[in-house]
Amino acid sequence: AQRVTQPEKLLSVFKGAPVELKCNYSYSGSPELFWYVQYSRQRLQLLLRHISRESIKGFTADLNKGETSFHLKKPFAQEEDSAMYYCALSGAGSARQLTFGSGTQLTVLP
Amino acid sequence: GAGVSQSPSNKVTEKGKDVELRCDPISGHTALYWYRQSLGQGLEFLIYFQGNSAPDKSGLPSDRFSAERTGGSVSTLTIQRTQQEDSAVYLCASSPSIGLAVQYFGPGTRLTVT
Repeated sequence: AQRVTQPEKLLSVFKGAPVELKCNYSYSGSPELFWYVQYSRQRLQLLLRHISRESIKGFTADLNKGETSFHLKKPFAQEEDSAMYYCALSGAGSARQLTFGSGTQLTVLP
Repeated sequence: GAGVSQSPSNKVTEKGKDVELRCDPISGHTALYWYRQSLGQGLEFLIYFQGNSAPDKSGLPSDRFSAERTGGSVSTLTIQRTQQEDSAVYLCASSPSIGLAVQYFGPGTRLTVT
């Protein structure tokens, strides 16, 4: 069975401070990991995926297979980063459906 | 270009009534998914369509839930004899192909069962 754990429901940081949103997963094979973001009154949208190894809006995430983690990081948080962040896993099954964590609500304070 | 669209955006229904929720995927996307977002359960997978293949219904919570996809495009999720625990936001997502796991989400339909 595949599982994604986001231990923090709520996270608040001040503008300009570093931020890290934690994600741990459980999967027996080689998963594909994603971060999705949902801004207030907007649809869920892809932020980044581990395969791309890219930085989007200053965010990065590194897949650590030894620790089964995919934490999301940004060195200097901005107020516009305030949103709900979901870590998600896609396994090797035929459907490739996403298994989501419970989400972390990030608030960046001025 | 146009993204995934869903209708209605909000639906209030009485317990025991049937409801139909509609999803229009991005043109050309062969894979279509339904998810449910509820307070107690987070985001859960419901059902998956890929082209003309038989759907993967492994996430449907009960036999009151069904879905179809006509012509490989528009999909309808039907909930029969709605219960209060069906209240949630129902999300549709589409993906360009099975090999590409990135999914593009619609705005959702907020269902409230009174």
